[in-house]
Amino acid sequence: DIQMTQSPSSLSASVGDRVTITCQASQDIRNYLNWYQHKPGKAPKLLIYDASNLETGAPSRFSGSGSGTDFTFTISGLLPEDFATYYCQQYDTVPYSFGQGTKLEIK
Amino acid sequence: QVQLQESGPGLVKPSQTLSLTCNVSGAPISSGGYYWTWIRQPAGKGLEWIGRIYTTGSTDYNPSLKSRVSISADTSKNQFSLVLKSVTAADTAVYYCARDRWEVPGFDYWGQGTLVTVSS
Repeated sequence: DIQMTQSPSSLSASVGDRVTITCQASQDIRNYLNWYQHKPGKAPKLLIYDASNLETGAPSRFSGSGSGTDFTFTISGLLPEDFATYYCQQYDTVPYSFGQGTKLEIK
Repeated sequence: QVQLQESGPGLVKPSQTLSLTCNVSGAPISSGGYYWTWIRQPAGKGLEWIGRIYTTGSTDYNPSLKSRVSISADTSKNQFSLVLKSVTAADTAVYYCARDRWEVPGFDYWGQGTLVTVSS
């Protein structure tokens, strides 16, 4: 199975900050990576697909990059509604797998 | 608008069988182009992909659960189901159903999730 390692596991930031989360795959997954936002008690929301493509309806302050084994996710200009947990997910090989999550908290 | 809603018992005894159903509205599960998927999240942990079913009835499962899990679909009711046998406390989790796009993979619609607790 492909292991996905996210860092950091938690992050404190202020409204207006630019934050970056990284995700590393245990093997080459090409660009087969998605990013999700998850708020407590709600369904996760797809933000980025194919490593760098913005999902329809997702705000443009969210972006992603990378290929192979190393990926990054960036929020440019944090808004209050962005404080949540973010997950990467690979779909190169079944079983699909997620990173352990990055909890973004207000500083 | 596509909507998914999980239903099933919130409490299951150890060694028994967990059964959940996902009711889908706004899109026929019989149409091609999507996998219908189950994902879970134990408290304080990350998301775990359980398995999926395609329109044709073909399924894929996480090997960590494969001997205990099955996913089926009832197109007449536009719903799909999860069965997990011989549960233990480690199966306590919030269970989500989700739609996964075949052509551009991604879980684009999710249910709200349902908490299943395994306890005597």
